[in-house]
Amino acid sequence: DSGVTQTPKHLITATGQRVTLRCSPRSGDLSVYWYQQSLDQGLQFLIQYYNGEERAKGNILERFSAQQFPDLHSELNLSSLELGDSALYFCASSVERGRAYNEQFFGPGTRLTVL
Amino acid sequence: GQSLEQPSEVTAVEGAIVQINCTYQTSGFYGLSWYQQHDGGAPTFLSYNALDGLEETGRFSSFLSRSDSYGYLLLQELQMKDSASYFCAVRDRGTGFQKLVFGTGTRLLVSP
Repeated sequence: DSGVTQTPKHLITATGQRVTLRCSPRSGDLSVYWYQQSLDQGLQFLIQYYNGEERAKGNILERFSAQQFPDLHSELNLSSLELGDSALYFCASSVERGRAYNEQFFGPGTRLTVL
Repeated sequence: GQSLEQPSEVTAVEGAIVQINCTYQTSGFYGLSWYQQHDGGAPTFLSYNALDGLEETGRFSSFLSRSDSYGYLLLQELQMKDSASYFCAVRDRGTGFQKLVFGTGTRLLVSP
């Protein structure tokens, strides 16, 4: 157990719909990262938040948005869903102390199926 | 941009040694990480190299050559539980120091 929690574990929805994925980082971690993993693919970095502010952006679609709240939990919003959005969505957290490397701890993921 | 190359699949037998290679191209490099992911599971951190050379952690070792933009993960005394996907990831020198760019992963199959 990494200490990172994600809800829901599974989500099945239809094309055109909007969903929200939720992530709670490990206690003390200020950074939250979102990744998308499609079938047999690597992890695609979507976005990073640090202490409530957006820090880095990857190949995140305009239909997707995220935020980090004052209690440090984060939500990833996916709208106008398409079949190709079906994937595993992982959240990770790290403590991030300056330039030193901090390993990222991954949550169990949310499996999104768009029908 | 960044790109990483890894073999898609490697097979080995229990007790053997296997090396998973990773070559990368990046505009700004801080270090190379390795993560393990079992089917249906979350990635878990294995190792990180910021400087050239070998880092050893139990049965796993990781090597980096920054001049060659190359690294590898070495798994010794293979066990069945080592069957998993292994991802190398470049720590990118972007606006966020901890941004990781992952390779597509190497599936390791360990047989008895």
